[in-house]
Amino acid sequence: IAGITQAPTSQILAAGRRMTLRCTQDMRHNAMYWYRQDLGLGLRLIHYSNTAGTTGKGEVPDGYSVSRANTDDFPLTLASAVPSQTSVYFCASSAELAGGTDEQFFGPGTRLTVL
Amino acid sequence: DAKTTQPNSMESNEEEPVHLPCNHSTISGTDYIHWYRQLPSQGPEYVIHGLTSNVNNRMASLAIAEDRKSSTLILHRATLRDAAVYYCILRPYGGSQGNLIFGKGTKLSVKP
Repeated sequence: IAGITQAPTSQILAAGRRMTLRCTQDMRHNAMYWYRQDLGLGLRLIHYSNTAGTTGKGEVPDGYSVSRANTDDFPLTLASAVPSQTSVYFCASSAELAGGTDEQFFGPGTRLTVL
Repeated sequence: DAKTTQPNSMESNEEEPVHLPCNHSTISGTDYIHWYRQLPSQGPEYVIHGLTSNVNNRMASLAIAEDRKSSTLILHRATLRDAAVYYCILRPYGGSQGNLIFGKGTKLSVKP
């Protein structure tokens, strides 16, 4: 089934450790996004990529980095995890062919706990 | 960014219609109105979007006020599977950054 996959599903991480969350889409979408969702709140954008080879900062980028080496993959890296990065992380993608009206497709999420 | 206002929660009975309101009094002429929903323990999923005219799809209908300062998502016959948080989001046409700006949404409970 076409869509977005994220790995791992969940992870418990010691503070100070490096962690990469993986995201892969098979829809050949141009744009990809990383959001975080804290308990009881809406999603907030961390980083985005409008097309392969480009990335941009979202609302809460500090402590995170991304790369977009190809169309399908958009990994999110926490260089040195801190407890405030405990959250559920969602990857999303959209075709971005219609000037902002495109549907965004979301992955199932990664639940990350930093101790 | 233009903001939206939604009730924190609503309740509905199964098989009855549900009208989820959204106020967006500062909407600009290029803002599309998008609705997403998030079922428990899942990522958000697209429901519907529109600009000026009312829209229908297999999931729901979107009624947009003539002045575009408010809109209503209509679920014609609520099912237990429709219990979710519903987000009303404004998204400008042609923006350089295509992310969605999520508020807290409306948590819809459906009673059998």
